[in-house]
Amino acid sequence: KAGVTQTPRYLIKTRGQQVTLSCSPISGHRSVSWYQQTPGQGLQFLFEYFSETQRNKGNFPGRFSGRQFSNSRSEMNVSTLELGDSALYLCASSLTGTPYNSPLHFGNGTRLTVT
Amino acid sequence: QQQVKQSPQSLIVQKGGISIINCAYENTAFDYFPWYQQFPGKGPALLIAIRPDVSEKKEGRFTISFNKSAKQFSLHIMDSQPGDSATYFCAASPQGGSEKLVFGKGTKLTVNP
Repeated sequence: KAGVTQTPRYLIKTRGQQVTLSCSPISGHRSVSWYQQTPGQGLQFLFEYFSETQRNKGNFPGRFSGRQFSNSRSEMNVSTLELGDSALYLCASSLTGTPYNSPLHFGNGTRLTVT
Repeated sequence: QQQVKQSPQSLIVQKGGISIINCAYENTAFDYFPWYQQFPGKGPALLIAIRPDVSEKKEGRFTISFNKSAKQFSLHIMDSQPGDSATYFCAASPQGGSEKLVFGKGTKLTVNP
């Protein structure tokens, strides 16, 4: 069974630009979550989608947005990029919405560098 | 506000030794406590998890100890091996069923041969 696939693996963007990251969950998984990982802040929750609906959102500005398609694939978008947005963006999928009986499976992330 | 505090930041042990990583949480609504292992260039992978109704869970060389009254939990890696060298994250999930994990800031473990 294929794991969580994130594309692209690396991105370099300039301040002020926007970027779209893509995530394909494990087949059959309906929940997709996004996390930002930085050396200083660690892993921080961005948002979670289940069956195309955003169910939970972390404490990030509105420049960060996402969506989920009917095939459970998800995208996240960051507009008006800032230097501080440089991070590893991780996508995780799971079968349902309950962590303790449906563990999160992470992809290998997209490394975004903003210059 | 950091809801899950993890220590130490880094840890060096000798092969065959015991690695111990500690976490403390504040939110009593947390009811699921997983540990994730992350190798360079890879995403975190679930290692072992525990719920507050048990005080200890063991899987192979990995054991979680849980102290509900102290709001603390720890990961013990017995007979540590160089292949265990990775960054370890504790996490906690609140009740409600949403996929929101609150992570500790990680511990970089180095096991010397």
